[in-house]
Amino acid sequence: DVKVTQSSRYLVKRTGEKVFLECVQDMDHENMFWYRQDPGLGLRLIYFSYDVKMKEKGDIPEGYSVSREKKERFSLILESASTNQTSMYLCASSQGRPPHEQYFGPGTRLTVT
Amino acid sequence: QKEVEQDPGPLSVPEGAIVSLNCTYSNSAFQYFMWYRQYSRKGPELLMYTYSSGNKEDGRFTAQVDKSSKYISLFIRDSQPSDSATYLCAMGHNTDKLIFGTGTRLQVFP
Repeated sequence: DVKVTQSSRYLVKRTGEKVFLECVQDMDHENMFWYRQDPGLGLRLIYFSYDVKMKEKGDIPEGYSVSREKKERFSLILESASTNQTSMYLCASSQGRPPHEQYFGPGTRLTVT
Repeated sequence: QKEVEQDPGPLSVPEGAIVSLNCTYSNSAFQYFMWYRQYSRKGPELLMYTYSSGNKEDGRFTAQVDKSSKYISLFIRDSQPSDSATYLCAMGHNTDKLIFGTGTRLQVFP
């Protein structure tokens, strides 16, 4: 089975802090994704990556950056957290192109106060 | 107009009922269709994956795609309380993004 793990289930940060969310997958998948999920808005794609050191902007990249130094690990960075970044963050991975069979991690519920 | 529309529910049914969950879409280029199940405070879990029109069955679950009507459905037979979750449809084509519906919350009561 594909396993996608995320470093924290719950996180509380203060406005202006730098926040790191880590995601690791163990199936040697090429593709990795970061989404946020908000009530009534569904899942929105923040960034994705097809290979080590590659990244592509999704639909809502503003205020976020990513890092993929190793194939199995994809990090989401909030440079200066703001209250409107309070959300559920979901990491996913998949193999091949188009990368449609995506497997998700358990999510990190981030609260910015 | 959103690319993918999904009724948020909640949909409340008794145990043993047949459940029908639906999504409509506007982009005729979509070729790949998925259903995910998401339990409270968990990540989405891939349930069904279909390509092109027609039906696909897996145990108590049947996914149906009608491209002419731009309509997809997920049927759950003999529904169980453990099926209580939010169901997300998702779709894509030959680009790299999936478009998700906002999810339908299903409650199956004993």
